[in-house]
Amino acid sequence: DTAVSQTPKYLVTQMGNDKSIKCEQNLGHDTMYWYKQDSKKFLKIMFSYNNKELIINETVPNRFSPKSPDKAHLNLHINSLELGDSAVYFCASSPGGRQPQHFGDGTRLSIL
Amino acid sequence: AQSVTQPDIHITVSEGASLELRCNYSYGATPYLFWYVQSPGQGLQLLLKYFSGDTLVQGIKGFEAEFKRSQSSFNLRKPSVHWSDAAEYFCAVAYMYSGGGADGLTFGKGTHLIIQP
Repeated sequence: DTAVSQTPKYLVTQMGNDKSIKCEQNLGHDTMYWYKQDSKKFLKIMFSYNNKELIINETVPNRFSPKSPDKAHLNLHINSLELGDSAVYFCASSPGGRQPQHFGDGTRLSIL
Repeated sequence: AQSVTQPDIHITVSEGASLELRCNYSYGATPYLFWYVQSPGQGLQLLLKYFSGDTLVQGIKGFEAEFKRSQSSFNLRKPSVHWSDAAEYFCAVAYMYSGGGADGLTFGKGTHLIIQP
């Protein structure tokens, strides 16, 4: 069974559209995260959710909104997509407390 | 704020040769350090971690890393590389949010490892 799964794997869309990326973990972890990897492979944290509460928001535009219906899911909604949003988005989970994070395989978002 | 520096953007190593990837960190408290590997089109896989104790830590796939507090370094090593080790390698430090409620990872910019036959 896949520990952290993201869907879709690829997402191609036009500027101005609204899209969502789903993430699910079956590890029983308390904390889930979203990271953005740019074209130069640089990884930067976007959000962290702990027990359904948003804990970290690292200067991310408010067009991005995480939604967590339960502890096992953390979806990422993006409104009014811009060219600069093109990147690979990774979901991750961990028990929290600086323990190792487990990553999904990523969603490659391409904005036309 | 915490930071991680990986000074080598690309490294080329011959198959069977030894490998060392450099990582320097900056963190105000006891660092929790990680090495992750990313194969093309894949997510990040944890190679090893350092929390405390023995400064030489063993990981998966024959990798090890040595924590040196005096040098703020956490270098990754492997005695003999295989072609399948070609990938992107990331060093990271875990930090606690200032409110103490949750954590995150700060990554270095990665080192791209190329294996020559």
